[in-house]
Formats: sequence, C-alpha cells, structure tokens
Amino acid sequence: QSVLTQPPSASGTPGQRVTISCSGSSSNIGSNPVDWYHQLPGTAPKLLIYSNHQRPSGVPDRFSGSKSGTSASLAISGLQSEDEADYYCAAWDDSLNAVVFGGGTKLTVL
Amino acid sequence: QVQLQESGPGLVKSLETLSLTCTVSAYSISNGFYWGWIRQPPGKGLEWIGSISHSGSTLYNPTLKSRVTISVDTSKNQFSLKLGSVTAADTAVYYCARMTPYSNYLDYWGQGTLVTVSS
Repeated sequence: QSVLTQPPSASGTPGQRVTISCSGSSSNIGSNPVDWYHQLPGTAPKLLIYSNHQRPSGVPDRFSGSKSGTSASLAISGLQSEDEADYYCAAWDDSLNAVVFGGGTKLTVL
Repeated sequence: QVQLQESGPGLVKSLETLSLTCTVSAYSISNGFYWGWIRQPPGKGLEWIGSISHSGSTLYNPTLKSRVTISVDTSKNQFSLKLGSVTAADTAVYYCARMTPYSNYLDYWGQGTLVTVSS
C-alpha cells in the first residue's frame, strides 16, 4: 500500500491529452513539492517533473505538472507512442521523514 | 553529465547482509547534494531506502531503518548501502541516485542492479 495514490493504469490515443493523478495528505503533497518520474520497460526511472511543475532540461513541454492542496497531476499532451511507460509521483513526507512514492501508473498508447 | 553505477553481489543468502556500492563520475560527492538508494521489487513500484550527504548525515526510510546503513567515501567518490537480515522480500532492483536537498527530487540515477535473496 503506497502512501501516495495513483491510478494503476491510463491510456490514450496518439495526439490525445492524458492526465495522471496523485493523491496524498497534508504531511506530504499538502506541504511539500511533488516530483514525477517515468520509467520505460527495463530501464531506470528518469526525472520528468520536479517541484510541482518544473521540467528538467531536455523534457518536452508536452509534459506538465500541477498541484492543488493534497493532490497533484501530470498532464501529457500530444501523446506519442514513446510515452508508453510507467509514471510515478513522489514527495517528501514530514511525518515519516521519508521520500514516498505513488504506486505507479502504467500508461498505454493505443 | 553526472553518472552513477551500482556494483555488488547479485545473489545474497537469506538472513545475510546485502552490500552495494555506487560509484559517481563527472561530479564530486564532496561538492554537495544527498546521495540515495531506491529499490524496486520485480513487477512492483519504487521504494526509497535512504540517503546520505557528503558530510555523512543520513536519512532512512523508517520501515527499513533498523536494518540499513548508508555510508560515504568521498576519497573514492562512492557511497554504499548495507541491508541486514535480508529475506526474499528484499529481492529487488536497487538503484542509486543523486538527491537534491530540501526539494528532495532524484535527478540522476544509476542503471540499477538486481539483487536476489536466496534461501
């Protein structure tokens, strides 16, 4: 049981916009920034969004993040086949004094 | 480009200690940041194990804290993980990563190494 809650799966067709939600509590998302990682099969996770909405160098602006209260969202516009991957949200938890992850969302491009 | 590489035994016997090392290149650990370990059981999600600063300050996941030790060797530009009394539940791909303090995001990751706990 993960501290942050994500839907296990999401899907969309090429060109569509999809969103992935991440729900937490006041001790994590409610008081700390949210980060997003994506993981292609058989590879290490890569930082996709940090500090709620910042994109590391090289990440296309098709990817965007937002946060409101104790929830966060990752939006992917202009969906491409190479976006098919697992997506994880993460945040610091002040009660646990730990980085906590969501259970991950498997994105399928139909 | 910062690079991290995990190394260590791929097979550990049950109840023994898992030991891994992460070698960092193209960046000096002494320059700052935290350096962390994350694991992923086969087919499952990510779990943060803990992190260490260049000066040796540690942060541990409370669920693993009693069994985990993370240390740093700035002379070798490496940091290490020891996880004691392992069981089959500790079988996972273990990743090392660089962690930005306060913001706590993990911006550079190693490729990961599979550690299997055998009985």
